Amino acid sequence: QKEVEQNSGPLSVPEGAIASLNCTYSDRGSQSFFWYRQYSGKSPELIMFIYSNGDKEDGRFTAQLNKASQYVSLLIRDSQPSDSATYLCAGLTGFQKLVFGTGTRLLVSP
Amino acid sequence: DAGVIQSPRHEVTEMGQEVTLRCKPISGHNSLFWYRQTMMRGLELLIYFNNNVPIDDSGMPEDRFSAKMPNASFSTLKIQPSEPRDSAVYFCASGFDLGETQYFGPGTRLLVL
Repeated sequence: QKEVEQNSGPLSVPEGAIASLNCTYSDRGSQSFFWYRQYSGKSPELIMFIYSNGDKEDGRFTAQLNKASQYVSLLIRDSQPSDSATYLCAGLTGFQKLVFGTGTRLLVSP
Repeated sequence: DAGVIQSPRHEVTEMGQEVTLRCKPISGHNSLFWYRQTMMRGLELLIYFNNNVPIDDSGMPEDRFSAKMPNASFSTLKIQPSEPRDSAVYFCASGFDLGETQYFGPGTRLLVL
């Protein structure tokens, strides 16, 4: 079992819809979680991080963390074609290492 | 401000050759990370440094891989000898400290023939 699991997708949503990206993790010692976006051929760029149970909002993005269920999600409201990318979930282990999931590919159609 | 700088951006070499990848972290960042990304295995952490000291190299796949950080503004990842299965994109990332947000460089796309 991988430490951080994501559905590889692709997740297809129409423009303007809410995209929901999910991630589960196995290491209960992980306290912080990061969402990165990676366009094809580019490097990962940080969208947001979360370390407390509950929701954290930043513009069109909302990260959700449920430590009891070991579940992290990223919601993208009013999805745009420019949001089409691979979204990487990463958990920070007790050894201060980021462990990445394999990513979910999101396709937003006009 | 300049982000993380990596060179070369592309490298094509033949099996058995030595490959050296270079990274300049963001000024003021104390932590530096080397990752490898492939379609099959995703993004894997190879090694990371804090204050120029290697903290964990358990992700380095084999003895053919080595990394150094002689000062706060420069790090190298060396593969000697290279093999076709080393073909991947190698990313360097830096952060203010361990556990802080990591900022990725543009990556080096390595192809070993």
